[in-house]
Amino acid sequence: AQTVTQSQPEMSVQEAETVTLSCTYDTSESDYYLFWYKQPPSRQMILVIRQEAYKQQNATENRFSVNFQKAAKSFSLKISDSQLGDAAMYFCAYRSLSEKLVFGKGMKLTVNP
Amino acid sequence: SQTIHQWPATLVQPVGSPLSLECTVEGTSNPNLYWYRQAAGRGLQLLFYSVGIGQISSEVPQNLSASRPQDRQFILSSKKLLLSDSGFYLCAWSVHGSYRDNSPLHFGNGTRLTVT
Repeated sequence: AQTVTQSQPEMSVQEAETVTLSCTYDTSESDYYLFWYKQPPSRQMILVIRQEAYKQQNATENRFSVNFQKAAKSFSLKISDSQLGDAAMYFCAYRSLSEKLVFGKGMKLTVNP
Repeated sequence: SQTIHQWPATLVQPVGSPLSLECTVEGTSNPNLYWYRQAAGRGLQLLFYSVGIGQISSEVPQNLSASRPQDRQFILSSKKLLLSDSGFYLCAWSVHGSYRDNSPLHFGNGTRLTVT
């Protein structure tokens, strides 16, 4: 079964600085998709960024980028120029071709002014 | 545009009582549907997912069940609630995948269930 591990339960960053959130996963599949979701205090889940496993190029969305290391099964999220609005729970997720989507336990990010 | 409705928003139920949470999606057909539970201090636990009517995959062999009576309706049920069933329940949908589909999940607003 696929599993997703986020080993850091909490992190903090100063406003305008850069922070990297780590995620590892375990799978025997060769083709899959990876996602980062953000959950602010409102509890609504918001997609931050997605990555196709068959693409070697790392995905980028404005201030958000990933470092995808397929062989190491690692999928970290880098947030540049952190803003107060980035404070939230961040979840790493794995989606198999069978449509099953599994989340990690999440990481709470605090942004200090 | 597609929308997802989940209700009720909050629910307080006594131990041993039944449960029925409903989720419907509008504006799309044959979506993948998911039920997740988020307990305090824990991540999102996948409970059930469905890729079509009558096709339910269970990830958690507990006292919960799910049904998909219509294409865009997904129901989470229990015959007898336990204290441990308390949590935040999220319904979600995604586009039914082609081989190269990377569509994200779209979440409902969630139901906060308190079992007393």
